[in-house]
Amino acid sequence: QVQLVQSGAEVKKPGASVKVSCKASGYTFTRYFIQWVRQAPGQGLEWMGIINPSGGSISYAQEFQGRVTMTRDTSTNTVYMQLSGLRSEDTAIYYCAREDMGYYNGMDVWGQGTTVTISS
Amino acid sequence: SYELTQPPSVSVSPGQTARITCSGDALPKQYAYWYQQKPGQAPVLVMYKDSERPSGIPERFSGSSSGTTVTLTISGVQAEDEADYYCQSADSGGTYRVFGGGTKLTVL
Repeated sequence: QVQLVQSGAEVKKPGASVKVSCKASGYTFTRYFIQWVRQAPGQGLEWMGIINPSGGSISYAQEFQGRVTMTRDTSTNTVYMQLSGLRSEDTAIYYCAREDMGYYNGMDVWGQGTTVTISS
Repeated sequence: SYELTQPPSVSVSPGQTARITCSGDALPKQYAYWYQQKPGQAPVLVMYKDSERPSGIPERFSGSSSGTTVTLTISGVQAEDEADYYCQSADSGGTYRVFGGGTKLTVL
């Protein structure tokens, strides 16, 4: 079945970096964008950026420019999101979600979420 | 940066109709999407391209668009519909996605 499986929870110290993975299965990896969305405790959804697994093109939300890096590995159908310069405000659940290319069908499949906790 | 505006909360009794609005300047040019999120769960797509319902989503969910406002309507609300609802769209150029602040639907 179609699914996105994310890596496990992380605890990091302020100033460190975290790398979260999102492994796709059950569909053609290169036909769907992967979006990254985060949700701080008790807060709403925040869009972080988008990667095209086919060509590798990327767009980041302005709020994360300079701190976030999204990459993909087409040999393992996996997308990665790395966030650096971590601060307490980055404590959140990080989700990946797929979005079809060109059909405007929305983010129809989501990963289970990865909890990232920033604590000294 | 571009923003989508939703009411923080909507309350209805079971069987009534709930309407959740989302406003944004680029909505006449860009499609809107709606996601339902229950506590401890990942969001679920309940509406795409303003008014299209994904398979598996009950018919009581519908969507509409008028100018700079889109609306998610839930007819005959049930207790299981109690959740947070987020609208999502893109900026006028279509590259940057954005979410509304979310609306907590309470079924009285």
